[in-house]
Amino acid sequence: EAGVTQFPSHSVIEKGQTVTLRCDPISGHDNLYWYRRVMGKEIKFLLHFVKESKQDESGMPNNRFLAERTGGTYSTLKVQPAELEDSGVYFCASSQVRVTGYTFGSGTRLTVV
Amino acid sequence: GDSVTQMEGPVTLSEEAFLTINCTYTATGYPSLFWYVQYPGEGLQLLLKATKADDKGSNKGFEATYRKETTSFHLEKGSVQVSDSAVYFCALSRNTGNQFYFGTGTSLTVIP
Repeated sequence: EAGVTQFPSHSVIEKGQTVTLRCDPISGHDNLYWYRRVMGKEIKFLLHFVKESKQDESGMPNNRFLAERTGGTYSTLKVQPAELEDSGVYFCASSQVRVTGYTFGSGTRLTVV
Repeated sequence: GDSVTQMEGPVTLSEEAFLTINCTYTATGYPSLFWYVQYPGEGLQLLLKATKADDKGSNKGFEATYRKETTSFHLEKGSVQVSDSAVYFCALSRNTGNQFYFGTGTSLTVIP
């Protein structure tokens, strides 16, 4: 079974540019989550999809972040315009049954310069 | 609100040394507790978990016991190996919730 796939694995962009991160969950997993780890700090929840619907987006830092999940399959997280403080590692996870069956991807390391 | 505090790193140990990484939590009710590990270049992997007080989670020689009285879930291993070098994250989730609350992570390097 393929795992959770994220790409790109690394992205370096200039402040003010736009970046789109992609996550492909495990096939059949209705739940998809985004998390972020800013350097040296804790991994923080961003949002949760159930199929194509946003179940909880309480962790989204501001309106420069837009997450979508097309047809309940893959998800994208767009940052526009990017700021220096957006640098960090963005993790995606999917599960069939809430937290008990989480599988994380390897993350996208975003560097804004 | 819910939160996890874990031991600051980085930690460097010699092979076969004893490992303890401290983790304490703040939560209402009775959360489940987890340790996740991230090996270089890989995603977060579940290492072990405990879902109620006094439960002991164990895997790959690592152990952690859910201590409600001290709100702790310290990770231990009796004899570390070079292959244990990774970043370790303590986390909690509410049993009715859908998200994890993670600690800041502790980087472990084991030298031969």
